[in-house]
Amino acid sequence: AQKITQTQPGMFVQEKEAVTLDCTYDTSDQSYGLFWYKQPSSGEMIFLIYQGSYDEQNATEGRYSLNFQKARKSANLVISASQLGDSAMYFCAIRQGGKLIFGQGTESSVKP
Amino acid sequence: EAGVAQSPRYKIIEKRQSVAFWCNPISGHATLYWYQQILGQGPKLLIQFQNNGVVDDSQLPKDRFSAERLKGVDSTLKIQPAKLEDSAVYLCASSLAPASVETQYFGPGTRLLVL
Repeated sequence: AQKITQTQPGMFVQEKEAVTLDCTYDTSDQSYGLFWYKQPSSGEMIFLIYQGSYDEQNATEGRYSLNFQKARKSANLVISASQLGDSAMYFCAIRQGGKLIFGQGTESSVKP
Repeated sequence: EAGVAQSPRYKIIEKRQSVAFWCNPISGHATLYWYQQILGQGPKLLIQFQNNGVVDDSQLPKDRFSAERLKGVDSTLKIQPAKLEDSAVYLCASSLAPASVETQYFGPGTRLLVL
């Protein structure tokens, strides 16, 4: 069975600084996909970034980048130049078949 | 393009009552998912539809939960009778196809409180 672990319960980051949110995963599949979602207090899950297991380059989407270390089974999210609107819960997920298996999330709060 | 629509946004009911949630996916998305998110946890899949057929309902408590997607577009999730532990956010998501590279896009969710 696939599993996602996010051990950081909460993070504080200064506005304009970078923050790294940790994610480790466990899977026996050779082909898999890793996703990061943002969930603000409004409740909607917002897709941020995707990394395929065979992608040789780390994924990037604007201020978001994914530090993918396949051998260590980690897929950390890096948010650069943090903004106040980045304050939210962040969820890492792995795709198993058609469904997503989510971690428990990490709360990130940006301070002005 | 319009995102995933869900209604109602909030619902408060008493235990043993019934409740229904509605979801309209992104136009053209063949795959629809219902997730349950209990406070402090990540979402957990309840049921996955491909067009109007069920692909995965292994974690759906079938004694009280039911879902349908009759015309392969919008979907309804029902709970009858509700229990206190059903208090959660119910998220609907859709994707073009269930392939491993397809991104799931989520709606705003329905927050259910069972008293």
